[in-house]
Amino acid sequence: AQSVTQLGSHVSVSEGALVLLRCNYSSSVPPYLFWYVQYPNQGLQLLLKYTSAATLVKGINGFEAEFKKSETSFHLTKPSAHMSDAAEYFCAVSDGNTGKLIFGQGTTLQVKP
Amino acid sequence: SAVISQKPSRDICQRGTSLTIQCQVDSQVTMMFWYRQQPGQSLTLIATANQGSEATYESGFVIDKFPISRPNLTFSTLTVSNMSPEDSSIYLCSVGEVSPWYGYTFGSGTRLTVV
Repeated sequence: AQSVTQLGSHVSVSEGALVLLRCNYSSSVPPYLFWYVQYPNQGLQLLLKYTSAATLVKGINGFEAEFKKSETSFHLTKPSAHMSDAAEYFCAVSDGNTGKLIFGQGTTLQVKP
Repeated sequence: SAVISQKPSRDICQRGTSLTIQCQVDSQVTMMFWYRQQPGQSLTLIATANQGSEATYESGFVIDKFPISRPNLTFSTLTVSNMSPEDSSIYLCSVGEVSPWYGYTFGSGTRLTVV
C-alpha cells in the first residue's frame, strides 16, 4: 500500500526565508505525487503534481518540488516566504492500481514578520 | 478539469440522526472518492464510490455507518448514519481524472457539526 510521511507537523520561518516542507513516500510502483495547500476554513488547492515527467516540478505561488527516487522524497520549497503562505500543507501519493489518493499528516507553516 | 458541486456546505445535526451529502460532477468521471477531515487533522479516505456496485471501504469505515451510493458517473451520495459528536468533521467528495491525466479535484466540503 502507498503511504506518505510528512516530517514536521509544524514549521516556522521568517518572512523572506526559505521554505522547506519535507515529504517521503512509500510505493511499490512509480507514484504520482501531489502537494496541496489549505488556508484556514477553506478548501484544498493543488500546488503542484509529479506525474513521471520532469523531476523538478514548478507550481503556483512560487513553490516547487523535486522528485528524488533514490531518497523516496518529494520535498516542497519556496525561496522566499511570504506572510500569505501561512497555511496547512499536505503531501499526497496516488495509488497507481486503484487510483486512491493517500494524504500525509499535514504540515502547518507559520510565517513570522 | 471537472467541477464538483457538493451539498450541503454545512449542517448542524442532532445525535442519532443521519445526514446525506450529495456530490454532483459536471462531467462523467471514472474515479470518485469520499474523505473525512476531522478538526485539525489531515484527510482520511473513507471509500471509493463505484458506479453501479457497492463502494470499497477503507479500514475503519463500514457500510452501515457510511452508506454510499453512485447511480451514475456524475453523482454520488454519502450518508453519515446514527451520528455522534465524534462524527463532527468536514466531508469531501473527490474525483480523479486519468484520461487525460488531470489529477484530482475536490469539492468544497460539507462541514458537519453533531450536537
